[in-house]
Amino acid sequence: AQRVTQPEKLLSVFKGAPVELKCNYSYSGSPELFWYVQYSRQRLQLLLRHISRESIKGFTADLNKGETSFHLKKPFAQEEDSAMYYCALSDYNQGGKLIFGQGTELSVKP
Amino acid sequence: NAGVMQNPRHLVRRRGQEARLRCSPMKGHSHVYWYRQLPEEGLKFMVYLQKENIIDESGMPKERFSAEFPKEGPSILRIQQVVRGDSAAYFCASSPPAGGSRTQYFGPGTRLLVL
Repeated sequence: AQRVTQPEKLLSVFKGAPVELKCNYSYSGSPELFWYVQYSRQRLQLLLRHISRESIKGFTADLNKGETSFHLKKPFAQEEDSAMYYCALSDYNQGGKLIFGQGTELSVKP
Repeated sequence: NAGVMQNPRHLVRRRGQEARLRCSPMKGHSHVYWYRQLPEEGLKFMVYLQKENIIDESGMPKERFSAEFPKEGPSILRIQQVVRGDSAAYFCASSPPAGGSRTQYFGPGTRLLVL
C-alpha cells in the first residue's frame, strides 16, 4: 500500500542546532517525493522536490531508494524555520495525487 | 498571479445542511485536487478533476460528497447532509496542464465546522 510515514509529531531544537525531519515511504512504483511547509496561518508551500536536487532556505533532502527515505535536513536551524512540515509522494502515472505523511511540527527555540 | 483561491475560509453548518466549498485554480492551471485534513491528521486525497471531467475520485466518501470543475467558474466540493465527522479543513490544489511542471499549488483551505 502507498504510505508516507513521518515518525515525529513534534521536533524541538535550539537555534543553530542541526535539524533532521524523518520521512519514510512505501510505494511500489516510481514516486516523486516532496516536502511541503506550512508556516503559522499560511497555506502549504512547496519546499523541495527530489528531482530538483536543490537547496531551499538551507534545507536539503536526498532520496534513498534503498532505505525508502527522504529525510529533510538543515545544518543550522533558525527561529523562522518553525512550522509544520509535510512529506508527500506522487506518482504521475496515477494522476499525480499526493499522499501525505502526518506532518512534523518543528519548533526552533532561541 | 493571485494564487489558488478558496472560499469561504470558514464555514459553519448545522447537521443536515449542505456545504459548498469553492476553489479557483491559478491562472493557466487546468488540474484541480481536493484534500481533507481531519483534526490531528495529515492531508488525505479526495478527488482529482480536470475541466468538466472527474479523473480520480478514489478518495471521496461514497455518499453525500460530490465535486465538479465546470468549463467556466470555480471547482466546487459539495457535501450534502453534513455530519459532525465532516468537520475538517478542506484544501484545494491546482497544477498546470500535462507537459509542464506538475507541482501542486495549494489554496489557504476552508475550515468547515459542523455543529
